[in-house]
Amino acid sequence: EIVLTQSPGTLSLSPGERATLSCRASQSVSSSYLAWYQQKPGQAPRLLIYGASSRATGIPDRFSGSGSGTDFTLTISRLEPEDFAVYYCQQYGSSPMTFGQGTKVEIK
Amino acid sequence: QVQLQESGPGLVKPSETLSLTCAVSGYSISSGYYWGWIRQPPGKGLEWIGSIYHSGSTYYNPSLKSRVTISVDTSKNQFSLKLSSVTAADTAVYYCARYPFRGSFDYWGQGTLVTVSS
Repeated sequence: EIVLTQSPGTLSLSPGERATLSCRASQSVSSSYLAWYQQKPGQAPRLLIYGASSRATGIPDRFSGSGSGTDFTLTISRLEPEDFAVYYCQQYGSSPMTFGQGTKVEIK
Repeated sequence: QVQLQESGPGLVKPSETLSLTCAVSGYSISSGYYWGWIRQPPGKGLEWIGSIYHSGSTYYNPSLKSRVTISVDTSKNQFSLKLSSVTAADTAVYYCARYPFRGSFDYWGQGTLVTVSS
């Protein structure tokens, strides 16, 4: 099983700032089958990024994903008020599919 | 617009079987895609439980495999989850979701909280 470790656990930033979230895998994620989700309280996760760097339908271009192998990054270029949430990475290249433990982006 | 809706008891007694159904609208399960169950204990992260293809092929997380059964009813356009011998550790919000082969979860249900308690 591939273990995904996200860092930091919490990111305290102000609107307009840049957010950089990390997801490190215990072994290489095949074909960059890595996704990022955003989850707000009481809501289901929402797909942001798939294939490590492709934005899902309707996702603003301030969200970008990068990385390959074992190191992946989600960047939010300029935080908007609605971006404060918990973010999860997920690998779907190997079974079982696994998720990271999440990074909370909170208002500073 | 694809929509998924979970339904089932919100309270299950320890040692009993948790049963949930996910009704799909706006897309025919028979047309393809994989259909999965994911859970999230209160205040914690996400765990993939298992998935099914419209043909009936199933895929389970090894950590739960001995207790999980996922089935599909294409005539009703829905799929179901059964988790046996539940304990308090199975208390969670249960989500159903869709994904393509070698893909990420693109549509999710709103989730349903299931509490295991006597």
